[in-house]
Parts: sequence; C-alpha cells; structure tokens
Amino acid sequence: GDSVIQMQGQVTLSENDFLFINCTYSTTGYPTLFWYVQYSGEGPQLLLQVTTANNKGSSRGFEATYDKGTTSFHLQKTSVQEIDSAVYYCAMSWTGGYKVVFGSGTRLLVSP
Amino acid sequence: EAAVTQSPRNKVAVTGGKVTLSCNQTNNHNNMYWYRQDTGHGLRLIHYSYGAGSTEKGDIPDGYKASRPSQENFSLILELATPSQTSVYFCASGAGNYAEQFFGPGTRLTVL
Repeated sequence: GDSVIQMQGQVTLSENDFLFINCTYSTTGYPTLFWYVQYSGEGPQLLLQVTTANNKGSSRGFEATYDKGTTSFHLQKTSVQEIDSAVYYCAMSWTGGYKVVFGSGTRLLVSP
Repeated sequence: EAAVTQSPRNKVAVTGGKVTLSCNQTNNHNNMYWYRQDTGHGLRLIHYSYGAGSTEKGDIPDGYKASRPSQENFSLILELATPSQTSVYFCASGAGNYAEQFFGPGTRLTVL
C-alpha cells in the first residue's frame, strides 16, 4: 500500500555534525513529499515540501531531494545545531489519495 | 495568534466515560484532521473532514466519532473511553491533501 518508511528511531549527534535521515516511500500514484518537524511540547510544523521528481526542497539549512529512481526523500543538513533537536517526520500524499501518511518519526538529539 | 487551537490541553478520564476533544481553526481551511501520536507509530489518522457537516473515517476510526458543525470547529468524541485510547491527540487543518497541514498544540489524554 501507500506508505513511508523511516528506519531510524533516534539519531544522536554533536553540534556541527552532518545530519542524514533516511526516508523511503511507496505509492502507485504521483507523490508529494514532506518533511515535518516537531519541537518538544508543540505540534508538527512543515519544514519542506517537494512535488516534482528530482527536485530539491530546502528550508532553514535543511535539504531533501525527491529521487524517483530510488523512491527516497532523505533529509540532510551540513552542520546541525542544538536547536535542531526535535522529532522529524517524513510524510507523503499522492494522486488519488485522500490523506497524508506519516512515517514513524526520527528523534534527533544534538549535544553542544 | 495560533491558527489552530485545541482544548483541553490535558485530560484525565475514567474507563467508560465520554470524552470530547475540541479543535478550532482560523485559517478558513476546508479540510480538518484528527491524529493520534504514539511512540513507534508516528501520527495516525482517526477522522477527517472536507467541510462543515462532513466527516470521514481515517485509518483507525474504531472507538471514535467526529463532528464538524462549522468551518472553524472539529470535535473528536470518545463515547466509551478505554485505556488503549491514552495518547496525544493532534488536530490539523489544511487547504487540501497536497498542501501544508497546520497542527494544533495537542491534547494529552489519559484514560484510567
């Protein structure tokens, strides 16, 4: 069925480290892909969104490229900061679908 | 001002009791959603609505009802609460399935 998979439950880094969070998707339709970020005590908020294959989305130093060939939408950041500590959700909607499906989330912990 | 608000923010209920969670949005969005968030499952869709008077079942509707009396308000109703419904519940609004969803701050529900 239509789904997104995040295998990493938690990632622990130090400030200025490189961040890579894995996300793969599966759908028979044409997907729109999202990354949402959830800070402690708040609801999720949109970080970035990409609707076209092979296009890159970027926001606040984060980047993700929608790769149709590998059905991936990995999130990257060159140099993380402590304020980036949060839970990151990969999500997808698709043509013919009625909803957005969310991955299980990746908790990022950044130590100073 | 927050565009999506939820009340109450915290609720303790007894097994078999009735619980109503309320959501209000000032975005003038047609679509509204109720999710629950549990560790290891991410965000799962319970009910959604395309506009006033409409409610649709999401992926895990059993044990929940929804009501959309107006464009701004969307309620989630647990007629007979059970301990398995202990969770954090998020309401969201959006212009459509391919558009950004705006989340409320969440309601932490504990059923004893």
